[in-house]
Amino acid sequence: DAGVTQSPTHLIKTRGQQVTLRCSPKSGHDTVSWYQQALGQGPQFIFQYYEEEERQRGNFPDRFSGHQFPNYSSELNVNALLLGDSALYLCASSSDRTQYFGPGTRLTVL
Amino acid sequence: GENVEQHPSTLSVQEGDSAVIKCTYSDSASNYFPWYKQELGKGPQLIIDIRSNVGEKKDQRIAVTLNKTAKHFSLHITETQPEDSAVYFCAASGGSYIPTFGRGTSLIVHP
Repeated sequence: DAGVTQSPTHLIKTRGQQVTLRCSPKSGHDTVSWYQQALGQGPQFIFQYYEEEERQRGNFPDRFSGHQFPNYSSELNVNALLLGDSALYLCASSSDRTQYFGPGTRLTVL
Repeated sequence: GENVEQHPSTLSVQEGDSAVIKCTYSDSASNYFPWYKQELGKGPQLIIDIRSNVGEKKDQRIAVTLNKTAKHFSLHITETQPEDSAVYFCAASGGSYIPTFGRGTSLIVHP
């Protein structure tokens, strides 16, 4: 049984560009959450998707948006990239309150 | 919102010693407390969790204790091994089911 998978593993973009990150949840999980983890910090909650809708959102600007597909996979989109968006982006899936994380996508903004 | 404080930020022990990491939380409505281990270049891995109706939980060399009155919880690792070296995160969540994480503890186990 595959766990949570994310793609790509690494990404380099320049300021002002747009990026799309992808996540496939653990089998049997219907809820996907996205987190941003800056170096030396704990994960910060961006938003959560359930039944293809954004259910909850953390304190992130509208430049951060997402989508969930009928097969429960999800995308995170970030527009107008800033240097400060450089971080590890984590996807977590769940079917109850226990969240299981993927390996993350390392985004570097130059 | 919830605020989780975690100490220490770095913990260095000799192989075979015990390690203790402590966390406090602010929201009395929080009732679920997971602990995650994150190795370099990987995502956080759930190692143990505890719910508010339980005071202590053990899984082999790992144990977690919860004091709801004082709003603090701790992770105890006994007989540490070099492969225990990693960053450990505590978290707390309530009705929203969204965990708030501490800033992490870097555990270094010296052979």
